Amino acid sequence: AQKVTQAQTEISVVEKEDVTLDCVYETRDTTYYLFWYKQPPSGELVFLIRRNSFDEQNEISGRYSWNFQKSTSSFNFTITASQVVDSAVYFCALSERFMDSNYQLIWGAGTKLIIKP
Amino acid sequence: DAEITQSPRHKITETGRQVTLACHQTWNHNNMFWYRQDLGHGLRLIHYSYGVQDTNKGEVSDGYSVSRSNTEDLPLTLESAASSQTSVYFCASSEEAGSSYNEQFFGPGTRLTVL
Repeated sequence: AQKVTQAQTEISVVEKEDVTLDCVYETRDTTYYLFWYKQPPSGELVFLIRRNSFDEQNEISGRYSWNFQKSTSSFNFTITASQVVDSAVYFCALSERFMDSNYQLIWGAGTKLIIKP
Repeated sequence: DAEITQSPRHKITETGRQVTLACHQTWNHNNMFWYRQDLGHGLRLIHYSYGVQDTNKGEVSDGYSVSRSNTEDLPLTLESAASSQTSVYFCASSEEAGSSYNEQFFGPGTRLTVL
C-alpha cells in the first residue's frame, strides 16, 4: 500500500534560518504525483506544488525549493530565510492512479513549522 | 472567481443526531472529495465522487454517506453522529481524471463537535 511519511512532527526555528521539511513516500506505481500543501493557522489548505514521477528536476519558487529524489523516494521542501508568515502545518501528499484513470491523494501526517521572531 | 464553499463552518450536535454538511463548488469539477482532519492523522478520505450519480467509499467511510445529484454539490451526512466523529471536515474538488493537472482545491472546512 502507498504511504507518505513526514517524520518531523514539529520544527521550530528562528526567523531567517533555513529549514527543510522531509517527506518520504512508498509506492509501487511508476506513474504518480507528489504535492505539498500549506495549512496556516487560519485553517485553509493552500496548494504549493505538484511534481510528477518523471520529472526529477528541483523546483525553486522564491524562498521555497523542492528536492525530488526518486532513488530515495523523497520529496523534501526547503524554506530559505524563513519568515514568521511561514508558520503553518505543511502536508506532503502522494497521488496515484487508481481505478482506471482516476487519482487519489494519500496524505502525510503533516509537519508543524514554527518560526520565531 | 471559482471557489468551494462549506456550510456550516461550525456545528455542535448531540450523539445520535443526523447531521448534513454542505459542500458547493463553482469550479465545474467532476471530482469531489470529503476528508476529515484529526491531529496526528493528516487528512483521511471519507467519500468521493467522480461525477453525477457516482459515489465511492474512502478509507474512513463508516457512519457517513454522500449523494451527488448535480455537479456543484456533494453533501456529507452523518447518519447517527458519534463523539468519534468530532473533527474538522474538508471538501475538495479537482479536474476530471486523466488530465495531468489534478491538484485538489479545498473548501474552508467545517468544525464539527459531537457531544
